Amino acid sequence: RKEVEQDPGPFNVPEGATVAFNCTYSNSASQSFFWYRQDCRKEPKLLMSVYSSGNEDGRFTAQLNRASQYISLLIRDSKLSDSATYLCVDTGGFKTIFGAGTRLFVKA
Amino acid sequence: NAGVTQTPKFQVLKTGQSMTLQCAQDMNHNSMYWYRQDPGMGLRLIYYSASEGTTDKGEVPNGYNVSRLNKREFSLRLESAAPSQTSVYFCASSYSRTSGSADAGTLTQYFGPGTRLTVL
Repeated sequence: RKEVEQDPGPFNVPEGATVAFNCTYSNSASQSFFWYRQDCRKEPKLLMSVYSSGNEDGRFTAQLNRASQYISLLIRDSKLSDSATYLCVDTGGFKTIFGAGTRLFVKA
Repeated sequence: NAGVTQTPKFQVLKTGQSMTLQCAQDMNHNSMYWYRQDPGMGLRLIYYSASEGTTDKGEVPNGYNVSRLNKREFSLRLESAAPSQTSVYFCASSYSRTSGSADAGTLTQYFGPGTRLTVL
């Protein structure tokens, strides 16, 4: 089993839609997670941290489910500019593990 | 602040040639990293430097060497390039590498723009 696993997609959604991605992790001791965004042919950039109590930043909401060992990212009111690859990151312990990413295409 | 910078942006090598990828950060970060990214594989850690003066192997270190020249600079060297090393290479930095305090701020990694390397 991969340490961090994501559905590669692509997710194709219309503008204004709500879309959610999940990411599963294997290290039950992990405590710190992030979502990064990566545009085509660009470097990954931090989107948001994922806290135990959940975290909301505008149209983006991140949740952590420790019992089932997954984190989620919810995007509301999708914009064309949200089209990107979203990387799930587990920084637990002494390793930082990046998921392979989920591709999102938002269509007009 | 420039953040994390990398040179060169693009490079084409022939099999067997050597080269060094340069990375520098101006955020006073302690930890620096080299990753490679291949289609469908995600980011894979090649080497990292938890602090100035230390370097350690990551997931895919074979065929590479690194030097942490000072706190700002962390270089990656390919001694004898192979076609399997064709990839996009990203350098990153963060305040801290370990998550003892689960402090998201210190663990956040900031990436450079990448180097696209092709080995023929």
